[in-house]
Amino acid sequence: EVQLVESGGGLVQPGGSLRLSCAASGFTFSSYWMHWVRQAPGKGLVWVSRVNSDESSTTYADSVKGRFTISRDNAKNTLYLQMNSLRAEDTAVYYCAREYSGYDYWFDPWGQGTLVTVSS
Amino acid sequence: QSALTQPASVSGSPGQSITISCTGTSNDVGSYNLVSWYQRHPGKAPKLMIYDVSKRPSGVSNRFSGSKSGNTASLTISGLQAEDEADYYCCSYASSTTSYVVFGGGTKLTVL
Repeated sequence: EVQLVESGGGLVQPGGSLRLSCAASGFTFSSYWMHWVRQAPGKGLVWVSRVNSDESSTTYADSVKGRFTISRDNAKNTLYLQMNSLRAEDTAVYYCAREYSGYDYWFDPWGQGTLVTVSS
Repeated sequence: QSALTQPASVSGSPGQSITISCTGTSNDVGSYNLVSWYQRHPGKAPKLMIYDVSKRPSGVSNRFSGSKSGNTASLTISGLQAEDEADYYCCSYASSTTSYVVFGGGTKLTVL
């Protein structure tokens, strides 16, 4: 079964850091582009970041550029999101998602999400 | 404010058909056949229902269909079933933004 499972969310103070992980199984992880998408409470989905299959290219939403870093370990079938200088507005459920092929612009599957709460 | 506009809620009775709209601009929905739709039940992972405006992934019921006219994409669910009650999100490539894709704000479907 193709599956993505996020972990690493929690409560963190403003200005703090957190690293999210997304464990992939059931497919050849190293062949796919991967993404992070988030949803703040009561809001819609927002794309956060993307990494290509060999980590040679990454892109970020303007709102997180310079603070978040996406990475992957293809040997461990795991995607990461290092989040620094966290702000209250970063509070959200964070989902990892697989893009079928580069520049397809659709995602399947998604993980169930991990909640990040930034609050003092 | 989401980039794509969806109605906050729609409802229908079992067996009926409903349509959820997703309105964008000529920089996204109107110019590219790169619209996808996702279903999300509470606490569950979003699930791809439609991609490339009207293509249905393997395993998705043929009661789900997608279309586009101008700057508005639509998701139609026919023969409504109780299990269709969920949140639905549209998504599109957008040339006018540095964001890889843009999403709608989501529509809550209630099966009466």
